[in-house]
Amino acid sequence: QVQLQESGPGLVKTSKTLSLTCSVSGGSINSGGYYWSWLRQLPGKGLEWIANIHYSGTSYQNPSLRSRLTTSIDTSNNHFSLRLNSVTAADTAVYYCARGLGVTAFDVWGQGTTVTVSS
Amino acid sequence: QSVLTQPPSASGTPGQRVTISCSGSSSNIGSNTINWYQQLPGTAPKLLIYTNTQRPSGVSDRFSASKSGTSASLAISGLQSEDEADYYCAAWDDSLTLVIFGGGTKLTVL
Repeated sequence: QVQLQESGPGLVKTSKTLSLTCSVSGGSINSGGYYWSWLRQLPGKGLEWIANIHYSGTSYQNPSLRSRLTTSIDTSNNHFSLRLNSVTAADTAVYYCARGLGVTAFDVWGQGTTVTVSS
Repeated sequence: QSVLTQPPSASGTPGQRVTISCSGSSSNIGSNTINWYQQLPGTAPKLLIYTNTQRPSGVSDRFSASKSGTSASLAISGLQSEDEADYYCAAWDDSLTLVIFGGGTKLTVL
């Protein structure tokens, strides 16, 4: 079955760029109508959606993050990526990648990776 | 404060049936499908219900959901200790143009 795994630095300095990659195994990133998604969970808080991207290039992004956000998909290497620039402590969170059955139903999740933003 | 409103907590005893509500508006629940997630402590969320009432393969039939107008609810029957978790509803919001989550409901099995 499809599995997702996030990777990237656990510590990012304030004002720098947070970069994460989600590796997809057990299935092709360009098969089916799936969206590939990023979400996060701030410490002790609920879930926040960041973005969805389809292998065709169609993407949806959280308007509150859009100005700082870049998402991409690499079908050759079966992974997708997130870049969030100008980070602050408010971006400290557990970041999850997920597969979307459409835009809002995330049926497969990575285990999550904790990213701390600190000076 | 979340656009989708859930009670912060719910509780029940083993074997009992509990429901968790999710209240929204015409721009989200009223015009789009809703999904429910279960998050056990220290783990990633798990899709419990999609497209209002559908259970993914492998999800127990003790979980069911309904939607009416701008509100939805998740029901858990035959409550078990392993159901103790946080539960979130989620939907697309046409006005905000983003996926929104409820604030989450912490379910305690007494």
